[in-house]
Amino acid sequence: GAGVSQSPSNKVTEKGKDVELRCDPISGHTALYWYRQSLGQGLEFLIYFQGNSAPDKSGLPSDRFSAERTGGSVSTLTIQRTQQEDSAVYLCASTPPGALNTGELFFGEGSRLTVL
Amino acid sequence: GDSVTQMEGPVTLSEEAFLTINCTYTATGYPSLFWYVQYPGEGLQLLLKATKADDKGSNKGFEATYRKETTSFHLEKGSVQVSDSAVYFCALRASTGNQFYFGTGTSLTVIP
Repeated sequence: GAGVSQSPSNKVTEKGKDVELRCDPISGHTALYWYRQSLGQGLEFLIYFQGNSAPDKSGLPSDRFSAERTGGSVSTLTIQRTQQEDSAVYLCASTPPGALNTGELFFGEGSRLTVL
Repeated sequence: GDSVTQMEGPVTLSEEAFLTINCTYTATGYPSLFWYVQYPGEGLQLLLKATKADDKGSNKGFEATYRKETTSFHLEKGSVQVSDSAVYFCALRASTGNQFYFGTGTSLTVIP
C-alpha cells in the first residue's frame, strides 16, 4: 500500500485477554517505531526496530508488552493479560534508510484499544 | 532526559485570526525539531521541521523558528482557515540515538 497500514483499527477486549496489533510499514522502510497515545497525553515511545539490529525496547512499560518484526517488514505488538490502563491508541511509524537525520516519520492511523 | 512541552488546548479561533502554539524543549546537544499535524480521522503527518539553531521551517503558511537561546519552536500562522482545524504536535529528535519525543498535542478548531 501507499502508507503505513495498521490493523485492527479498533479493538475492544476484556481485561486479562491477550491482544495483537499489526503494523505493515511502507515498502523499503527499514526503521519502525511503536508509540502509544493515551487520552490527553503525548506520544509515548514503546519500541524501535532498525534493520537487523537488536530492537530498542526501552519504552515498553512492562513485561506484558512485546513486539517482533518478521523479515524486516511487518511488526506485531502483543499485549498479554491486558489491563484497563492499556487502553490507548497504538501508533506505528516507519522511515526509510537515511531519513532518520531528517526526522521524516510516516505514521499509520493507529489501532484504538479499549480494555473493559 | 529530553522532553517537549507545548501549549495546552483546546484552542478556538475565528477564520483569518493569527495563530501561535507555544513549544519549548529540554535536550542535550542539538536536537532536530518538528511540528506534526493530525487532521480528523487521519494519521500524524509532518508539517514542518528545523534541524539547526535559527533555522525556520515553513509549510502551508505555517512557520516555526528554532530558537536555541530560548529552547523554543513556536508554531505560527498569520491567517488560519477552517481546514487548519486539527491536533498539532511538537516533537524533537534527540541529537544522539534515534529517539523522538512528542508533546501532548494542541487541538485547534477554526470557526467560520
